[in-house]
Amino acid sequence: GENVEQHPSTLSVQEGDSAVIKCTYSDSASNYFPWYKQELGKGPQLIIDIRSNVGEKKDQRIAVTLNKTAKHFSLHITETQPEDSAVYFCAVSNAGGTSYGKLTFGQGTILTVHP
Amino acid sequence: EPEVTQTPSHQVTQMGQEVILRCVPISNHLYFYWYRQILGQKVEFLVSFYNNEISEKSEIFDDQFSVERPDGSNFTLKIRSTKLEDSAMYFCASSEGWGELFFGEGSRLTVL
Repeated sequence: GENVEQHPSTLSVQEGDSAVIKCTYSDSASNYFPWYKQELGKGPQLIIDIRSNVGEKKDQRIAVTLNKTAKHFSLHITETQPEDSAVYFCAVSNAGGTSYGKLTFGQGTILTVHP
Repeated sequence: EPEVTQTPSHQVTQMGQEVILRCVPISNHLYFYWYRQILGQKVEFLVSFYNNEISEKSEIFDDQFSVERPDGSNFTLKIRSTKLEDSAMYFCASSEGWGELFFGEGSRLTVL
């Protein structure tokens, strides 16, 4: 089955700095790569996603890059703010037929942004 | 903004007891899912449900687990005879199809 590795497990930055979280996956058939933010006591919330026909996607301070050849993708947060502090999960799916919603998650990264 | 709602938020049960976790997916969504997260670990897929039947399930989803959509709005996860290792946060999610999975806030299950 699919195996997703996420690094680092914890990341501490100063407000205004950039944060980068990386994930690698094993199944070359995977084609959907979302990133989720989980705040304490809440469910995962999608913050950005990318599909395999695109190499990069940006939404304001958040961007995701995908390297399908190397089977890795990264989340980039610029100008970090204290409210960005949360656990971030990458996920991978082979979106097609009934498998669309079967996401394989990474281990999570605890991001702390210090004021 | 529409949201997935889950009840109860926290349930404590004795080992061997049956538990039912309830979810109300977003109303126009057609695909429903259960995931779980053991404390400190990654979120794991349990089962997906479409057109009133299971479309895919993981190896975690054994005979002790079942899902049901008893009416037009609820989606339930039943654990027949709970074990200590079933203690986790259980997340319900729904999606319209080719799009974002919306997760609920979770039901924490504690098995004593």
